[in-house]
Amino acid sequence: EVQLVESGGGLVQPGRSLRLSCTASGFTFGDYAMSWVRQAPGKGLEWVGFIRSKAYGGTTEYAASVKGRFTISRDDSKSIAYLQMNSLKTEDTAVYYCTRESIAVDYWGQGTLVTVSS
Amino acid sequence: EIVLTQSPATLSLSPGERATLSCRASQSVSSYLAWYQQKPGQAPRLLIYDASNRATGIPARFSGSGSGTDFTLTISSLEPEDFAVYYCQQRSNWPPRGTFGPGTKVDIK
Repeated sequence: EVQLVESGGGLVQPGRSLRLSCTASGFTFGDYAMSWVRQAPGKGLEWVGFIRSKAYGGTTEYAASVKGRFTISRDDSKSIAYLQMNSLKTEDTAVYYCTRESIAVDYWGQGTLVTVSS
Repeated sequence: EIVLTQSPATLSLSPGERATLSCRASQSVSSYLAWYQQKPGQAPRLLIYDASNRATGIPARFSGSGSGTDFTLTISSLEPEDFAVYYCQQRSNWPPRGTFGPGTKVDIK
């Protein structure tokens, strides 16, 4: 059974950093691209970015709203994807979902809440 | 940048009725479009990929169509569990990849 479990969310002050982790199981992690999607309270889904598998260079792409502040990485030996978030803003407050990319986003984690507030 | 618009914003229907949801892209995404369903307090679920292919386990009452810039998700006969928010997502190579539409809420009339 495919499982994605996010961790690392919480309350953080504006301008600070936070790193989210996504621990995957039930599939060969290294074979898949992984992405992060967020959802602000009461709002729609926003694609944050993704990282390709090593077979496709392990390169990353980001939404304009987070480019230069957020970094996605992966550790295939541990089956973990990371989202490093720097210079956080109040508008980054959201539930952050880790997702698996294949034909589309076919698996989602349960999400972790990040609240940016002073 | 590709922008997706969804219409209507809210669709009020009764169980058993047919639901037709629209998603329009600001430029062609070929057939690289997916649909997701989200219920309150839950993560989204993949329904349709590549515009018209049902994901594993998705009932046949859900169907997708379209290509280029205009896409449709149809629910042939609404079941009580289908009342939810539906999002489209473009999956073409145009950056930024993975843009979502604003969603259509299907609620009970």
